[in-house]
This record gives sequence, C-alpha cells and structure tokens, in this order.
Amino acid sequence: AQSVTQPDIHITVSEGASLELRCNYSYGATPYLFWYVQSPGQGLQLLLKYFSGDTLVQGIKGFEAEFKRSQSSFNLRKPSVHWSDAAEYFCAVGEARGGFKTIFGAGTRLFVKA
Amino acid sequence: GAVVSQHPSRVICKSGTSVKIECRSLDFQATTMFWYRQFPKKSLMLMATSNEGSKATYEQGVEKDKFLINHASLTLSTLTVTSAHPEDSSFYICSAIAENQPQHFGDGTRLSIL
Repeated sequence: AQSVTQPDIHITVSEGASLELRCNYSYGATPYLFWYVQSPGQGLQLLLKYFSGDTLVQGIKGFEAEFKRSQSSFNLRKPSVHWSDAAEYFCAVGEARGGFKTIFGAGTRLFVKA
Repeated sequence: GAVVSQHPSRVICKSGTSVKIECRSLDFQATTMFWYRQFPKKSLMLMATSNEGSKATYEQGVEKDKFLINHASLTLSTLTVTSAHPEDSSFYICSAIAENQPQHFGDGTRLSIL
C-alpha cells in the first residue's frame, strides 16, 4: 500500500531564509504527488501537484517541489519564507486505481521567526 | 476555480444527537467525494469514498453505522454522525474530484460533542 512520510514534525526558519520540507513516499507505480497547506482551523489549499512530465513543479505563493524517483522524494522548497507562510504543510500521494484516493503524510508545522 | 462548500463550519451539540454535514461542489460535477477526519495536530485520515448513486466505500476501522454517507447527486454528499459522543469530536473535511482534476477541499467542519 502507498504511504507518505514527512520526517519533520515541525520546522522553524527565520523570515527571509530558505525552506525545504521533506517528503518521501512509497508507491509501486508513478504516483500523483501533492503539497497542501493548512492554516489553523481551516481547510486545505493545494500548493502544487505532480502528475507527470517536468520533475520540478512550480506552485502558488512562490513554492516549488522536485520529484526524484530514485529517492522516492517530493520535497517542497521556497527560497525566501514570509511570516504568512507559517502553517501546517501536508504532502500527499494520490492513487488512481479503481477510483481516486489520496493518502496524506503526518504533516510538518512551519514556524517563522522574525 | 472550482469550489467545494462545506456546511456547517462549526457545530456544538449534546451527546446522543445526530449531526449532518453537507459537502457541495459549487461549479463542477464531482464524480467522487471523500470524507476525512482530522484529530488535533494530526494528519487527515480518510474515512470513506463515495460515488454518486452508490454506496460509500469505508476505510478499515471506520464504522459504517456511525458515519452515514449519502451521495445523492453529483454536487452533494452528506455525512451524518449518528448518536454522536464526545469521542466523535473532531474536524471533518470533505473533498471532491471531477475527471482529470485534483481534489478540491472544503473548509472543514469543527464538530464538538458535549
């Protein structure tokens, strides 16, 4: 069965510093991969997705992620973090066999310090 | 863009009450809708997948009789928490997909059982 691992429960970065959130997945075929952001008490917002093609994916709010098949990773990056980026980030893998199902990682809480 | 509306956003009720949560796709026909449960500071746990006009597929460990899902049309799915108890208190999130579209999430429902 597919699974998603986000090794970091929480990360703290300084405003203006670069950010990388790690995500590893386990899946037999080429996965559909997603990054979502969730502010406290809110729903999820899709940052970016990878289905196929270029392995470097650009998303909203200045985020990007790179799919590395050899490492089974899909890390999220941002060159310069803003205080408003503080939130919970979820990596997810989607499976499209017999319907579509998305499995979420445990999430990484991002704290931004001034 | 596509929008999923979830109602109510928050509900507080007494133990033993049944609570219905609605999930609507506002500008697209959703082939599949999903219901997730999120515990505090935890990831989203998929509860069930529903397709219009058919019975929902529940994930292992989710009580079908406790969490009734009805998917009456391509734009509406409902989750009814029957005879709710304090341990059912949680954040419930729905999502919907259309063909060749990623999931779109509702803003969630905070359910508190007293």
